[in-house]
Amino acid sequence: SQTIHQWPATLVQPVGSPLSLECTVEGTSNPNLYWYRQAAGRGLQLLFYSVGIGQISSEVPQNLSASRPQDRQFILSSKKLLLSDSGFYLCASYGTGAYEQYFGPGTRLTVT
Amino acid sequence: GESVGLHLPTLSVQEGDNSIINCAYSNSASDYFIWYKQESGKGPQFIIDIRSNMDKRQGQRVTVLLNKTVKHLSLQIAATQPGDSAVYFCAETPVYNTDKLIFGTGTRLQVFP
Repeated sequence: SQTIHQWPATLVQPVGSPLSLECTVEGTSNPNLYWYRQAAGRGLQLLFYSVGIGQISSEVPQNLSASRPQDRQFILSSKKLLLSDSGFYLCASYGTGAYEQYFGPGTRLTVT
Repeated sequence: GESVGLHLPTLSVQEGDNSIINCAYSNSASDYFIWYKQESGKGPQFIIDIRSNMDKRQGQRVTVLLNKTVKHLSLQIAATQPGDSAVYFCAETPVYNTDKLIFGTGTRLQVFP
């Protein structure tokens, strides 16, 4: 079975500072990878997904970007954080069977 | 469709009772449906799935029912336990883009003794 790692687990950053969140996947190859954001008490918002190295699809226009430098590595970045970027960021990967996605433990980001 | 901006509805049940969590999906062409459980501060966990060619599927203490006529999905939890307290999301895969899952609003299940 696959395992998804995310770091850091929690992060407090000032407005205007840069951001880099990392996600790595073990136990699978060439997975589809996903970044979601979840505001407190809300649903999941798909931000980006990638079907291969260097291939990024953006779902929501914003000041965030994503990159996939390696097959099992997915990075979420920002040059200047906004207060509205606060939330719980989840990385997910497709399984090798059907279409279910496996989620990482998440990163809780607070922008102050 | 996606409803990420809405507050979560809450279902309160007594321990030992059965729970039924409902979800209305948007795309009649969706082929695959999943239920996820998300405990506080954690990522969602896969519970059970169902394909559009089925109307019922059972797991351990959970049953998913699919009514394609009214585009409705439900998750039934038998003998609800305190450990079942969480937020439950349904998700669908549209046939026009199987690379994505579209998540529902979510329902918070609270189990009281």
